[in-house]
Amino acid sequence: DTEVTQTPKHLVMGMTNKKSLKCEQHMGHRAMYWYKQKAKKPPELMFVYSYEKLSINESVPSRFSPECPNSSLLNLHLHALQPEDSALYLCASSLSGGPTFVTGELFFGEGSRLTVL
Amino acid sequence: RKEVEQDPGPFNVPEGATVAFNCTYSNSASQSFFWYRQDCRKEPKLLMSVYSSGNEDGRFTAQLNRASQYISLLIRDSKLSDSATYLCVVNMERDSNYQLIWGAGTKLIIKP
Repeated sequence: DTEVTQTPKHLVMGMTNKKSLKCEQHMGHRAMYWYKQKAKKPPELMFVYSYEKLSINESVPSRFSPECPNSSLLNLHLHALQPEDSALYLCASSLSGGPTFVTGELFFGEGSRLTVL
Repeated sequence: RKEVEQDPGPFNVPEGATVAFNCTYSNSASQSFFWYRQDCRKEPKLLMSVYSSGNEDGRFTAQLNRASQYISLLIRDSKLSDSATYLCVVNMERDSNYQLIWGAGTKLIIKP
């Protein structure tokens, strides 16, 4: 069982809706990540938070807005999404990570499967 | 050339056989290397870190060849439950940062 918990597991939203994905870990990890994964493709990095500060933003459109309220929580706010944004959104954490280094041992949540109509 | 390259497969292998696949990487200064396993519609999970001296975990052996810039994964006595996609991940420098770069994955199907 994963120690990274993501909610909701499934989400269907219209293009005008506002919704949020949530992620929580209690392993004391100081880096947290959002990845997007399309079918038969590898995970694609979106954002990295290190010590609650945004350290990497991989040129993600502004309709995706990350938030890290504290070291255990990570949110992804969604607004005005497009159908092509439908994907599996994976949250991950690692013991450490920062702008200049990343540990490879990522612990993933089960993901939130998003469908945009 | 892709930064991290894998044969997408699928590799169709009979149960009990040995299978190996490689992953090549472009940046010789890459620091660390990993194999993740991802089952269909599930999240990726770390299978093994890959050390310079090579490492073994039960039926799985990972090797690193820095001179030729590739890592390998060998699975012995394959089981039906080994069917999955195996993703190679390399920690390499990009834009003055070190980031995890993912290969596209190799699909493995173990047949009875």
